[in-house]
Parts: sequence; structure tokens; C-alpha cells
Amino acid sequence: QKEVEQNSGPLSVPEGAIASLNCTYSDRGSQSFFWYRQYSGKSPELIMFIYSNGDKEDGRFTAQLNKASQYVSLLIRDSQPSDSATYLCAVKFWSGQNFVFGPGTRLSVLP
Amino acid sequence: DTEVTQTPKHLVMGMTNKKSLKCEQHMGHRAMYWYKQKAKKPPELMFVYSYEKLSINESVPSRFSPECPNSSLLNLHLHALQPEDSALYLCASSQGGGGGAGNTIYFGEGSWLTVV
Repeated sequence: QKEVEQNSGPLSVPEGAIASLNCTYSDRGSQSFFWYRQYSGKSPELIMFIYSNGDKEDGRFTAQLNKASQYVSLLIRDSQPSDSATYLCAVKFWSGQNFVFGPGTRLSVLP
Repeated sequence: DTEVTQTPKHLVMGMTNKKSLKCEQHMGHRAMYWYKQKAKKPPELMFVYSYEKLSINESVPSRFSPECPNSSLLNLHLHALQPEDSALYLCASSQGGGGGAGNTIYFGEGSWLTVV
């Protein structure tokens, strides 16, 4: 059984702070890892993907992957109220074409 | 802006109606997906087409019938739906092979379906 876990939140951070979103997965045979942002009433929007251990930075976003611990995180620096959304972690496994999505973490950035 | 286009954006249908959701992508992707999403839940996979062939059917009821006329188009035919089928239906595509970036799924804006 391939599972992806996230804290459902809500996670509240003040404007300008760092928001840290975490995701764990159950299957060591995992290939690629993705973070999507979904605003209420909208479709998921890709933020970034990572498939090598370590950090990957894109603007205010940093994804961190630790395959030994089966853990991937997303850091959002200088959080803005516009970052308030649900963040979905998705894992692509070596076998098959499906992504497995975590339940999502609702982030609220307070002005 | 997403390069996966879905129509219609909103659809209200009765339980005896037949309707279709349509999806088109212009990224040259070879894999296309239908997901269903209920409120406050993650997307749930329904079907995957790879190189125009159905490769995954996640035990979806037969009242949902997918069709992939060509590598750019994906349809979802709806018939005799139930009120509990009301949800956001998301089409997505990916390059369809290889590791890393090739696996990235890009979503369309979705079609909101209400069954009355």
C-alpha cells in the first residue's frame, strides 16, 4: 500500500515568516516528488518537483528531499497572504503512472 | 496559464441525462488523466491514457466512460449519474515517460459537475 501523509492543518503563520510544510511517504520505491498549490475553488497548480536528495530552490520556495527518511518538505520564505491555500504533496512511484496525493495541508498566512 | 483546456467549466445535469466533459492539451504529452476531486479531499485518480490507450481504470463505475480520440484530446462521457458524483473533474497530462520532469502532471482548470 503506497501512502502519502501530510498534516491537514490549518497551519497559520504571520506574514513574512517561513512556512514549513511536511510530507512523508511509505514506499521506498518512490521516484519523483511534487508540490502543488490549490486555491479554494481552483485546480492544483504545480509549484515544484524534486527527485534527488537535498534541497531545490525556486524563488521563495525550497523543496527538501530525504529518501532515507522518506520525507519531503516545502519551505516558503517571506510568506504572503496570497500564499494562503492548500498544499498537496504528490509522489510518483517507479511502477505505474499514477501519482499518489497526500491529503493536503491548509496554510493560512495572517497579515 | 495552464495549457490543458477543459470544457465546460460548469455543468448541471439530471440523473437521466447524457453529457460529456472535454479536455485538450497542446504540449505534445503522451499521457492524459481524469481525476475526481470532492471538497476538502485530494484528487482521486479515475483513468489514465498512455499513448492513446487506456492503461489505468481505478474501478470507476461504468456510468463514467472515457475516450481518447487522439493524443491531444480526452473525453469523459457521463450517463445516469448520481448526486454523489457531483465534484470537480480534473483533466491532466504528462510527458508520459522517463524520470524527473517527465513525470510532472499538469492540471486543467477543471469542470464543476452538479448532478440534480
